[in-house]
Amino acid sequence: EVQLLESGGGLVQPGGSLRLSCAASGFTFSSSAMSWVRQVPGKGLEWVSSISRTGDTYYADSLEGRFTISRDNSKNTVHLQMTSLRADDTAVYFCARQVGELELVHWGQGSLVIVSS
Amino acid sequence: DIQMTQSPSSLSASVGDRVTITCRASQTISRYLNWYQLKPGKAPRLLIYAASTLQSGVPSRFSGSGSGTDFTLTISSLQPEDFAIYSCQQTYTSPYTFGRGTKLDIK
Repeated sequence: EVQLLESGGGLVQPGGSLRLSCAASGFTFSSSAMSWVRQVPGKGLEWVSSISRTGDTYYADSLEGRFTISRDNSKNTVHLQMTSLRADDTAVYFCARQVGELELVHWGQGSLVIVSS
Repeated sequence: DIQMTQSPSSLSASVGDRVTITCRASQTISRYLNWYQLKPGKAPRLLIYAASTLQSGVPSRFSGSGSGTDFTLTISSLQPEDFAIYSCQQTYTSPYTFGRGTKLDIK
């Protein structure tokens, strides 16, 4: 069974940093592209970032270079380092596994990030 | 960036109704279009990928069609568990943008 477990969310002040992690199991992690997607509660989804199985990285333009995605294939983990956080970064952050034509087939339960003073 | 425009933004319907949601891309995306179902407190669920392929385990009342710039998600006979937000996403090119979502609620 595929499992994705996010951690690292919480309350942070504007301008602060946070590192989200996603521990994966139940599939060959090193062969899978992974993504982060966020959702403001009650609203739609916003794609944040993806990393290919070879380590190529992709980001939403709105992030303005503040976030960095990385992966550790030895620990089956993908990370999202978030810096210079703003109030509009407040959301539930989901980790997801991409397959095929990059559709997001498996999702974690999400990690809530609140940016507030 | 490719913009994804969904319509309507909200929709009221009854159990048993047939509903159609539309997603339009700002440029051609071939068939790189996916549909997701969102429910409060739950992980998003992939329903349709590659415009028309039903994800394993998804009921056959869900169907997708389209190519190029115009796509539709159809639910042939609404069930109580189908009331949710539906969102399209293009994976033709990065950034892999989502539509703003269509909220489907009970009439």
